[in-house]
Amino acid sequence: DQQVKQNSPSLSVQEGRISILNCDYTNSMFDYFLWYKKYPAEGPTFLISISSIKDKNEDGRFTVFLNKSAKHLSLHIVPSQPGDSAVYFCAASARNFGNEKLTFGTGTRLTIIP
Amino acid sequence: DSGVTQTPKHLITATGQRVTLRCSPRSGDLSVYWYQQSLDQGLQFLIQYYNGEERAKGNILERFSAQQFPDLHSELNLSSLELGDSALYFCASSLGLAGGRGTGELFFGEGSRLTVL
Repeated sequence: DQQVKQNSPSLSVQEGRISILNCDYTNSMFDYFLWYKKYPAEGPTFLISISSIKDKNEDGRFTVFLNKSAKHLSLHIVPSQPGDSAVYFCAASARNFGNEKLTFGTGTRLTIIP
Repeated sequence: DSGVTQTPKHLITATGQRVTLRCSPRSGDLSVYWYQQSLDQGLQFLIQYYNGEERAKGNILERFSAQQFPDLHSELNLSSLELGDSALYFCASSLGLAGGRGTGELFFGEGSRLTVL
């Protein structure tokens, strides 16, 4: 049972435009959400996170939006740059329920076209 | 560089064999997590240790086992290997219990790529 879903395996965006990556979850106990970025031959690296008490968190070019009623979150990257080309994983945890492990989605491969 | 070290980076072995993957967490981190990434799959949680004790278990097969030693490094043992065990195995670490209270961040190593022929 895939509790965190990223339904788009890949996405191509023109350089300078906005990239929007989507993620859906099914477990109502999830209260903390993170995005990780992964380059080939490297481990995932943390990008941005959001707690369930917020609906938006911004860090530079990266903004994460959370819609709890829809169990949906999205990552916006604007403007997109060639170095943003990577696989992006959405992850969730139920920290307030004592569950520290992260449950990951299957990832979306983002390609930025120069 | 995340500070998490995994060895070996690549490993090729035959079905039925046993291998050990090693992980050194970031200095000061007490929690170690193991994840498996198969082709076109997300990162599947296997197991978590905190300060030497098993903390949480995920979809880890009975043929697999892990432990965390007093110096906090961890080993993942995979035995009776099957073709389907071919995957990238990631180790991650965090300071505390809650996946790094603050940002909730885990720090990942570069992974060990296991190929079973």
